[in-house]
Amino acid sequence: KAGVTQTPRYLIKTRGQQVTLSCSPISGHRSVSWYQQTPGQGLQFLFEYFSETQRNKGNFPGRFSGRQFSNSRSEMNVSTLELGDSALYLCASSLNPDRPYEQYFGPGTRLTVT
Amino acid sequence: QKEVEQDPGPLSVPEGAIVSLNCTYSNSAFQYFMWYRQYSRKGPELLMYTYSSGNKEDGRFTAQVDKSSKYISLFIRDSQPSDSATYLCAMSAMNNNAGNMLTFGGGTRLMVKP
Repeated sequence: KAGVTQTPRYLIKTRGQQVTLSCSPISGHRSVSWYQQTPGQGLQFLFEYFSETQRNKGNFPGRFSGRQFSNSRSEMNVSTLELGDSALYLCASSLNPDRPYEQYFGPGTRLTVT
Repeated sequence: QKEVEQDPGPLSVPEGAIVSLNCTYSNSAFQYFMWYRQYSRKGPELLMYTYSSGNKEDGRFTAQVDKSSKYISLFIRDSQPSDSATYLCAMSAMNNNAGNMLTFGGGTRLMVKP
């Protein structure tokens, strides 16, 4: 069974631009969560989607947004990029929302903002 | 102070040693406790999870949870150079507000020397 896939794997953007990252969950998984990983703050929860609805959101500014499509694929968008947004963005999927203990991560998208 | 604390290391051990990795936490609502392994430039890989207090064993890995002390541990027996990675503990409150949100420790970097 294929794992979680994320595209693109690497991205370089300029401050002020916007970016869209994509995540395809494991086949049959309907819940998708996004995390930001930085050396200083570690892994921090961004948001979670299930059945095209955002169920939970972490403590990030409104510049960070996401959505989920009917096939469970998810995208996240960051507008007006700042240097501090440089990070590894990870997507995790699970069968449904009440299985936090069975979340599987993708390889991540490494975003560099210059 | 962070909700989940983890010594960043690095922890350097000889091949074959028993490794002990630990996390402390402050949120008594946490019910599920996970351990992830992350190799450089990869996404976290789920190793095992434990519900509430107790022990769980899987091959060379043993997870322990002591909710009274808010302390969890991961033991690795017969450590191998291939175990060299960053180990992340993660926790979930498992309620309607938390959904699948995981709260991570900062990770401990482990190096197993041949």
